Amino acid sequence: DVKVTQSSRYLVKRTGEKVFLECVQDMDHENMFWYRQDPGLGLRLIYFSYDVKMKEKGDIPEGYSVSREKKERFSLILESASTNQTSMYLCASSRFGAVTEAFFGQGTRLTVV
Amino acid sequence: SQKIEQNSEALNIQEGKTATLTCNYTNYSPAYLQWYRQDPGRGPVFLLLIRENEKEKRKERLKVTFDTTLKQSLFHITASQPADSATYLCALELGLTGGGNKLTFGTGTQLKVEL
Repeated sequence: DVKVTQSSRYLVKRTGEKVFLECVQDMDHENMFWYRQDPGLGLRLIYFSYDVKMKEKGDIPEGYSVSREKKERFSLILESASTNQTSMYLCASSRFGAVTEAFFGQGTRLTVV
Repeated sequence: SQKIEQNSEALNIQEGKTATLTCNYTNYSPAYLQWYRQDPGRGPVFLLLIRENEKEKRKERLKVTFDTTLKQSLFHITASQPADSATYLCALELGLTGGGNKLTFGTGTQLKVEL
C-alpha cells in the first residue's frame, strides 16, 4: 500500500520558533509538494520539488523554505513561526512526467501561539 | 493570473439524486484535470482524471466531463448516498519547461447527501 507519511499529526509551536515539518514517501516519486489548507481558501501550494535538491516556489512561499536532500523526504521549514501560519499542512507526492494522481499524507495541524 | 474556481457554497441533496459539481478555470491550458475527495481532517484522495481530448470519463457512479472551450469540468455522482458526503476538489497540473509538474487545486465544494 502506497504511503505518504507526515511526521506529526498535531503540533503546537511558539511565535518565533523555527519549525520543521517532515514528509516521507515510499513510492519512489519524483514530485513532492507542500500545501497549506485554510477554511474558504482551499489547498494553496507553498513549494514543490521534482528532484533531489530541486525546489520550485508555489503560490505562497513567503515565510517558508524547503529541503530535499533525499528523494523520499521533503521537509517544510518555517524559519520564524508566526500566528498567521497556523493551518493544516499537507504533503503530497506524484510520479514525474506521467499523467498520474497525487498521493497525500494525513496532514499536520500546526498551531502557532 | 491562473485561477481555478469551484462553488464555495455547500451542496445539499437528497439520497438517490445526482450531485453535480462544477470546476471552472481561467488562464490555463491544462492537458488534463483531476478530481479528489477529502473527508474532514484527512488528506485528499484521488478519484478520477480526464484528459483534454476526452469529453467524458466514468468510474462506477462517478462521471466527469471536460470542456476545454468553456474551460469547465463537471463532476457527477449518480444515485448519491450519505457516504458520498465530503468535500470534492478539482486540480490542474502545469508542466514546467524547467522540469516538474505543478499541481494546483480549486477551493473545493462540500457535498452533503441527506436521507
